[in-house]
Amino acid sequence: AAGVIQSPRHLIKEKRETATLKCYPIPRHDTVYWYQQGPGQDPQFLISFYEKMQSDKGSIPDRFSAQQFSDYHSELNMSSLELGDSALYFCASSHYPEAFFGQGTRLTVV
Amino acid sequence: AQSVTQLDSHVSVSEGTPVLLRCNYSSSYSPSLFWYVQHPNKGLQLLLKYTSAATLVKGINGFEAEFKKSETSFHLTKPSAHMSDAAEYFCVVSVTGNQFYFGTGTSLTVIP
Repeated sequence: AAGVIQSPRHLIKEKRETATLKCYPIPRHDTVYWYQQGPGQDPQFLISFYEKMQSDKGSIPDRFSAQQFSDYHSELNMSSLELGDSALYFCASSHYPEAFFGQGTRLTVV
Repeated sequence: AQSVTQLDSHVSVSEGTPVLLRCNYSSSYSPSLFWYVQHPNKGLQLLLKYTSAATLVKGINGFEAEFKKSETSFHLTKPSAHMSDAAEYFCVVSVTGNQFYFGTGTSLTVIP
C-alpha cells in the first residue's frame, strides 16, 4: 500500500540558509500535518492543511511557512535557519480518524 | 482542549514478561486515541487506534489497548515482551482531525 513519502530523507544546511521539505500524502487523504521532533522530544505540531487550506496552526515559527498544492503534496519552507531547527520533521496524512506518518526528514543545521 | 499524559517516561521489563504502558487523556469531546511506536532513528508506526467502536482494541505485534471512559485511560499492553519491542511509544489523541496531540513518550527497554 502507498505510504506517505517525504523528501529529502536527510538534509544538512548552514545557519541562515533556507530549506524546503516536501511531503506526498497517501492518495485520497484530505489532511496533511507537519510535526517537528527535536532530539529526545515528542513530536510538536506545526501546521495542518485540509483540502489545501490551512486548518490549524501550532508552534510554527514565523520563519517557517507551508502550503499544500493542487496535487495535495505539501511543502514546508524554512528560512534563516538556526541551530535549534535541527530536528526530525514528520509529515502525516489523514482521512480522519487515522493518520499515517512519513519516515521524516532529518534536518541538521550546522 | 485535548491533552495526553503518559504516566511513565521509562519502562523496563524482562523478555517474556507482560508490558503495560499507561496513558491518560483529557478531551472535551469524544476522542480518537492512538498508540504509535518509534524505533531508534525511524519514523512513527501506528500500533492501534480507538475510534468509538469496540473499547478493547487489538493492534499489530500482539499489542492491545482498552479505552476506559470512566478512567479517561487508554493503556497499552502486551502479554509477553520481545526484544524487538524496545522502542519509544507515543499515546496520541485527536478530536476533530485538525491536530493530533502527542504524549511525551514512554521509552520501553526489554531486558534479555
